[in-house]
Amino acid sequence: SQTIHQWPATLVQPVGSPLSLECTVEGTSNPNLYWYRQAAGRGLQLLFYSVGIGQISSEVPQNLSASRPQDRQFILSSKKLLLSDSGFYLCAWGQGFYGYTFGSGTRLTVV
Amino acid sequence: GQQVMQIPQYQHVQEGEDFTTYCNSSTTLSNIQWYKQRPGGHPVFLIQLVKSGEVKKQKRLTFQFGEAKKNSSLHITATQTTDVGTYFCAVAYSGAGSYQLTFGKGTKLSVIP
Repeated sequence: SQTIHQWPATLVQPVGSPLSLECTVEGTSNPNLYWYRQAAGRGLQLLFYSVGIGQISSEVPQNLSASRPQDRQFILSSKKLLLSDSGFYLCAWGQGFYGYTFGSGTRLTVV
Repeated sequence: GQQVMQIPQYQHVQEGEDFTTYCNSSTTLSNIQWYKQRPGGHPVFLIQLVKSGEVKKQKRLTFQFGEAKKNSSLHITATQTTDVGTYFCAVAYSGAGSYQLTFGKGTKLSVIP
């Protein structure tokens, strides 16, 4: 069966520091991968998606970037965090018409 | 992508009462998906609807897709404390070789025991 791993679970980072969140998928090959952000008490905003190695599409301009160095690895990064980058970051994989499977998420607090 | 409006934003019910959340669009939807997110957790896929007028049931949950495919609803009969969480509808649309989901803002359900 397919599983998705996301870490760390929580993170507190100072403003201006770098960020790297990692997501890996097991049990499937060439998955479509997605990064979403959820602000406190709000809905889910699609940040990036990837259909293959090295292929990244950005949905919104922001202080973040994404990379896919391996088939089942998706990384979310920032060179300098802003206070507004705080939120709940969720990685997901799947084919949209058959439902997404989300990772357990990373709660990022920028202080 | 297609936009969906979800109402209500919050709902407080007494345990045992019914609950309904609605998802509406100004355009015809190709599909609708529903997710549940428990407090502190991540969204979990519940179901997908694709046919006009479709009705699907999962135990106490009933999902409907409107005849015009512009709205959908999730109804929970006799709520329990385990139903607490935020319920999201989402629409999958295709673009650039992939499918993406656009989520509604969700309905947060609180159940008073």
